[in-house]
Amino acid sequence: SQTIHQWPATLVQPVGSPLSLECTVEGTSNPNLYWYRQAAGRGLQLLFYSVGIGQISSEVPQNLSASRPQDRQFILSSKKLLLSDSGFYLCAWRKTGAVDSPLHFGNGTRLTVT
Amino acid sequence: EDQVTQSPEALRLQEGESSSLNCSYTVSGLRGLFWYRQDPGKGPEFLFTLYSAGEEKEKERLKATLTKKESFLHITAPKPEDSATYLCAAVSGYALNFGKGTSLLVTP
Repeated sequence: SQTIHQWPATLVQPVGSPLSLECTVEGTSNPNLYWYRQAAGRGLQLLFYSVGIGQISSEVPQNLSASRPQDRQFILSSKKLLLSDSGFYLCAWRKTGAVDSPLHFGNGTRLTVT
Repeated sequence: EDQVTQSPEALRLQEGESSSLNCSYTVSGLRGLFWYRQDPGKGPEFLFTLYSAGEEKEKERLKATLTKKESFLHITAPKPEDSATYLCAAVSGYALNFGKGTSLLVTP
């Protein structure tokens, strides 16, 4: 069976510091991978998605970037965090090519920028 | 622009009091409507997929239905453990476009 792991679960970082959140998927090959951010009252906002190694699509211009160095690894980064980067970050995967199938989410990272 | 709107934002029910949550969508060429349950501090957990108007799916006390413009999540005789935020989403390109959710509280 497939599993998705995200870490860390919680993170408190000062403004201006760098960020690296990691997500890995087990039990499947070449998944589509996603980063969403969930803020209070705003729902889930798609940040990035990837259909393969090195292929990243950005949905929202922002202070963040994503990379996919390996087939089942997806990383969310920032060089300098802003207060507005605070939120609940969720990684998700889906079977490749199955655009009408559900996303499966990890348990998220709660990021607080102080 | 594709939009998914959920109502109400919050709903408080007594145990055993049945109700429905609404999800309306404006998506050209719907390719799937999804329902998720999200507990506090956790990622959304997949519940149902609906693909065409008239389709229904059931799981325990939950039943999801789909029309050409809306989906409903019916909760029959809810229990306190059904308390959660319920999200609906529609396929949008390579991803899912989510509504803001309905926060459900079921009291004993």
